[in-house]
Amino acid sequence: KAGVTQTPRYLIKTRGQQVTLSCSPISGHRSVSWYQQTPGQGLQFLFEYFSETQRNKGNFPGRFSGRQFSNSRSEMNVSTLELGDSALYLCASSSTSGGVYEQYFGPGTRLTVT
Amino acid sequence: DQQVKQNSPSLSVQEGRISILNCDYTNSMFDYFLWYKKYPAEGPTFLISISSIKDKNEDGRFTVFLNKSAKHLSLHIVPSQPGDSAVYFCAGGDNTDKLIFGTGTRLQVFP
Repeated sequence: KAGVTQTPRYLIKTRGQQVTLSCSPISGHRSVSWYQQTPGQGLQFLFEYFSETQRNKGNFPGRFSGRQFSNSRSEMNVSTLELGDSALYLCASSSTSGGVYEQYFGPGTRLTVT
Repeated sequence: DQQVKQNSPSLSVQEGRISILNCDYTNSMFDYFLWYKKYPAEGPTFLISISSIKDKNEDGRFTVFLNKSAKHLSLHIVPSQPGDSAVYFCAGGDNTDKLIFGTGTRLQVFP
């Protein structure tokens, strides 16, 4: 079974621009979560989608948004980019099987804002 | 308020010995805990999870212990191998898919 995939892997943008990142979860997984990793703040939760609905949201400004499609693929968008948005953006999909909860991450998208 | 804490930023262990990585939490609402291994610029690799109703879960060389009264969990790796050298994160989750991560412990396994 293929893992979580994310595109693109690397991105360089300029302040003020916007960016869209894409994530395809593991086949059969309906929940997709997004995280931001920075050296100073560690791994922080952005938001989570299930069946095309945002179920949970972290403490990020409204410039960060996302959506999920009927095939469970998800996108996140960051508008009006700031230098501080430079980070590794990670997508994860999750499942519960036999009472065991597992959440798997993709390889991430490295965003650099100049 | 840091709900998940990994107080040891680094750990060095000899190959073949046991590695014990520790994690403390403050949120009593966590339903499960997960451990991840991470290399720089890569996504975290899921290692093992444990439900809050269990006190131990084992998978190969990895065992996670949960002490709810102490709000403490630990990951044991036996035997440690050089390929285990990485940063390890613990994370807690409630009944949603939102994970709260610790700050990580860098494990170095030397020959």
